[in-house]
Amino acid sequence: EADIYQTPRYLVIGTGKKITLECSQTMGHDKMYWYQQDPGMELHLIHYSYGVNSTEKGDLSSESTVSRIRTEHFPLTLESARPSHTSQYLCASTGGGAYEQYFGPGTRLTVT
Amino acid sequence: AQSVTQPDIHITVSEGASLELRCNYSYGATPYLFWYVQSPGQGLQLLLKYFSGDTLVQGIKGFEAEFKRSQSSFNLRKPSVHWSDAAEYFCAVAGFSGGYNKLIFGAGTRLAVHP
Repeated sequence: EADIYQTPRYLVIGTGKKITLECSQTMGHDKMYWYQQDPGMELHLIHYSYGVNSTEKGDLSSESTVSRIRTEHFPLTLESARPSHTSQYLCASTGGGAYEQYFGPGTRLTVT
Repeated sequence: AQSVTQPDIHITVSEGASLELRCNYSYGATPYLFWYVQSPGQGLQLLLKYFSGDTLVQGIKGFEAEFKRSQSSFNLRKPSVHWSDAAEYFCAVAGFSGGYNKLIFGAGTRLAVHP
C-alpha cells in the first residue's frame, strides 16, 4: 500500500490569498491525481499527471494549477482563493499498469 | 460511457446485522471494479478489487463483493457490521478516456450503524 501525504490537513484562508496544497508519495508511483470532493458528494477529478513534467486537466474544470517537477511531489496551487474553492481536496497515486489508486488523507480548505 | 450507480444514498443498520451495499456499473468490456471506504475527514481506503477470475472477492475488514456480469453489479457485503464500519462507501470502475486511465466513482453510500 502506498504512503501518500497531504499538508495541510485543514486550512482556513481569506479571499484573494495564494495557497499551495502539498501532496507527496514515497512509493515511486508515476501517476498522481487530484480530486475535489464537496461534503457528502462524489469525487471529481481535477488534475492528473503521468510522470515528471506531465500534467493534464481532469473532468471537472478547476481554477487551480499543478506541477510535477519530481516524481514524488504533486502540489496544487490556487493563485487567488475564493469562497467557491471551499472543498476537500484529495490526492491519489498509482504505479505501473495498476488501476487502483491510493489516497492521501485530504486537505479541507475553507475560504472566507 | 462508463458510469457507476450506487442506488442507496443512506443506509442504517444495527450493529451485528448483515450489510449489502449496491453498485451497478456501465462498461463495454470486462470491468475492473473497486470498493473504497472513507471515514469522516479522511481519504479513501481501498477495501477490495475485482479484475478477473473468481467472482467473489475478499477484502479487508471482513468485507466481500460479488461480481455479477448478467446484472452489471458489484455489491459489497459484510455478514456482521461493527460500529466502526460507519463511513461513506464508494464503488468505482476503471476506465480509459481522453488518453488516460481513470477511476469513475459512484456518488457513495453513507452507512450509519445503530448500537
